[in-house]
Amino acid sequence: DSGVTQTPKHLITATGQRVTLRCSPRSGDLSVYWYQQSLDQGLQFLIQYYNGEERAKGNILERFSAQQFPDLHSELNLSSLELGDSALYFCASSVGTGERYNEQFFGPGTRLTVL
Amino acid sequence: AQKITQTQPGMFVQEKEAVTLDCTYDTSDPSYGLFWYKQPSSGEMIFLIYQGSYDQQNATEGRYSLNFQKARKSANLVISASQLGDSAMYFCAMRPYSGAGSYQLTFGKGTKLSVIP
Repeated sequence: DSGVTQTPKHLITATGQRVTLRCSPRSGDLSVYWYQQSLDQGLQFLIQYYNGEERAKGNILERFSAQQFPDLHSELNLSSLELGDSALYFCASSVGTGERYNEQFFGPGTRLTVL
Repeated sequence: AQKITQTQPGMFVQEKEAVTLDCTYDTSDPSYGLFWYKQPSSGEMIFLIYQGSYDQQNATEGRYSLNFQKARKSANLVISASQLGDSAMYFCAMRPYSGAGSYQLTFGKGTKLSVIP
């Protein structure tokens, strides 16, 4: 158990819908990262937050957004869902940001299926 | 930009034997970290081992060791005494310690390891 929690574990929804994925980082970790794992794209970085502020953006679609709240939990919002958004979404957390060794601990993931 | 290449989509190894999973990387950053993660069929990502680009010695963690050859830009994972529970996908990843990409991990496509009894 990495200490990172993600809910829900599974999510099945229809095209055009909007969903929210939730992540609670390990106690003491200030950084939260979101990754998407799909069959065709592999594991891709989406976005990072540090202590409530956006720090880095990767291959995140405009239909997707995220935020980190004062209690440091984070939510990833996916809207106007398409079939291609079906994937495993991981949240990871770390103590700091980009400097030096900073192990990222991954949550169990949320498996999103868009029908 | 960083790139990770894992050339072995699938590997088989006999139980109790050692196996090497290949990873090469490309980066222009002088300082970076290399990571290996294991993803069993249940889906979670499990951190295995880390190597810093300036570390003088190859990293070891129990049955896992990292064969780091900086000049060749390779960071191969060696698993000794394979166990049935080692059957999983293995991902090599890197993160530079400077520049715009210094926050996220860049992953390879992964290698599926199957341990044969």
